[in-house]
Amino acid sequence: QVQLQESGPGLVKPSETLSLTCTVSGDSISSYYWSWIRQPPGKGLEWIGYIYYTGSTSYNPSLKSRVTISVDTSKNEFSLNLTSVTAADTAVYFCARDRKHIVYWGQGTLVSVSS
Amino acid sequence: DIQLTQSPSFLSASVGDRVTITCRASQGISSYLAWYQQKPGKAPKLLIYAASTLQSGVPSRFSGSGSGTDFTLTISSLQPEDFATYYCQQLYSSPQTFGQGTKVEVK
Repeated sequence: QVQLQESGPGLVKPSETLSLTCTVSGDSISSYYWSWIRQPPGKGLEWIGYIYYTGSTSYNPSLKSRVTISVDTSKNEFSLNLTSVTAADTAVYFCARDRKHIVYWGQGTLVSVSS
Repeated sequence: DIQLTQSPSFLSASVGDRVTITCRASQGISSYLAWYQQKPGKAPKLLIYAASTLQSGVPSRFSGSGSGTDFTLTISSLQPEDFATYYCQQLYSSPQTFGQGTKVEVK
C-alpha cells in the first residue's frame, strides 16, 4: 500500500522560502513521477509541478521562477521549495504519485504565510 | 493555459437523485480528462480517467462521458457518502489544470 506523508513548517514568513518534504512508503520512488499540488483554503486545486526519479522536472509556468522540486532516492522522498512567498501562497500542499491522473495522494499539509 | 469551467458550481440534491455535472474546456482536449471527489479535510479521490474509464474500486453509479471540449460526470443514484465537491482535471497539455469545483449539497 503506497503511502505519502508531507512534512515541513506550517507557518512561513512573507518573502521567505517554503520547504516541504514528501516521504514515500510502500513503493520505490525510483519508479514513478511525483507531483506537488496545492489548494488555497476554500478554493480549487492548482498543479505546482512534478519530478521523475532521474531528476527531470516540469513546473507550472505561473510558479516556475520560484519553484524547485528535488528527489532523494536514498531516502525515498522528494521535496518542494517555493521562494519569495506571499499570502497568496497560503494553501494546503499535497504530494502525490504520478504526473497525470492521480490515485495516490498525501493527506496534505496546511502552510500559512504570515508575519 | 486550458481553462475548465464546471457547471453548476453548487448543486442541491437528495439521496436517490440522478446528478449530472458538466466540465467544459476552453479548447479541445480529446479524452484527456479526469474527475475527482473531495471531502472536507481530505485529499481528492480519483473517480474517472480518460473521460470515461472508471477507476478501480469506484462504485458503478459513477460514470463519465464526453470528448473534445464537453464532458459530464453522472451519479446515477446519489448516496449519502456522495455529498462532496467534484473537480475535473485536464491532462492534454501543460500546465494541467482543474475546474473550479462543483459542490453537491443535501437538498
